[in-house]
Amino acid sequence: DQQVKQNSPSLSVQEGRISILNCDYTNSMFDYFLWYKKYPAEGPTFLISISSIKDKNEDGRFTVFLNKSAKHLSLHIVPSQPGDSAVYFCAASALNAGGTSYGKLTFGQGTILTVHP
Amino acid sequence: DAEITQSPRHKITETGRQVTLACHQTWNHNNMFWYRQDLGHGLRLIHYSYGVHDTNKGEVSDGYSVSRSNTEDLPLTLESAASSQTSVYFCASSEGTGSYNEQFFGPGTRLTVL
Repeated sequence: DQQVKQNSPSLSVQEGRISILNCDYTNSMFDYFLWYKKYPAEGPTFLISISSIKDKNEDGRFTVFLNKSAKHLSLHIVPSQPGDSAVYFCAASALNAGGTSYGKLTFGQGTILTVHP
Repeated sequence: DAEITQSPRHKITETGRQVTLACHQTWNHNNMFWYRQDLGHGLRLIHYSYGVHDTNKGEVSDGYSVSRSNTEDLPLTLESAASSQTSVYFCASSEGTGSYNEQFFGPGTRLTVL
């Protein structure tokens, strides 16, 4: 049962254009969402996050949008650069019955982004 | 600078052998996690720990075990390696409680079981 899904295995974009990576989730208890970026032979690194009380969070060229009613979030990269070429993972976290989660994350399958010069 | 390291970075072993992957963090984080990354599955949680002597099973824990004897280390043991355990393994750590905690990842260990 995949609670976090990234339905596009890959995305190819021209340098300077917008990259839009999508993520869907099924667990309505998720209250915090993160995007991680991963280069080959390296561990994932945190990129940007959003809490469920917001619908948008922006950090430089990266913006994450959250649509709670649709259980959908997206990562926008504008403008895209060749150095953005990497695997992007969407992840989600939920508070447990005791009100804590200790940051346990559920990840999507990842989307390979290729930005062409 | 604080960091999280994994060793070895690459390991080849044979079916049936016991293998231990090391994870060491100097963040002084209470929470530590082990994931495996496989094509089409993303990162799947194997085991996690919220503190010394605490361990919990994740979604793909069969065939794996962990123990936490100090804050810095969470070794992952494959009791009897199987070809299905060929994967890239990532260790991560995070601080505190609540949802809003970013996880910091190690560089990964590529394990091949022949």
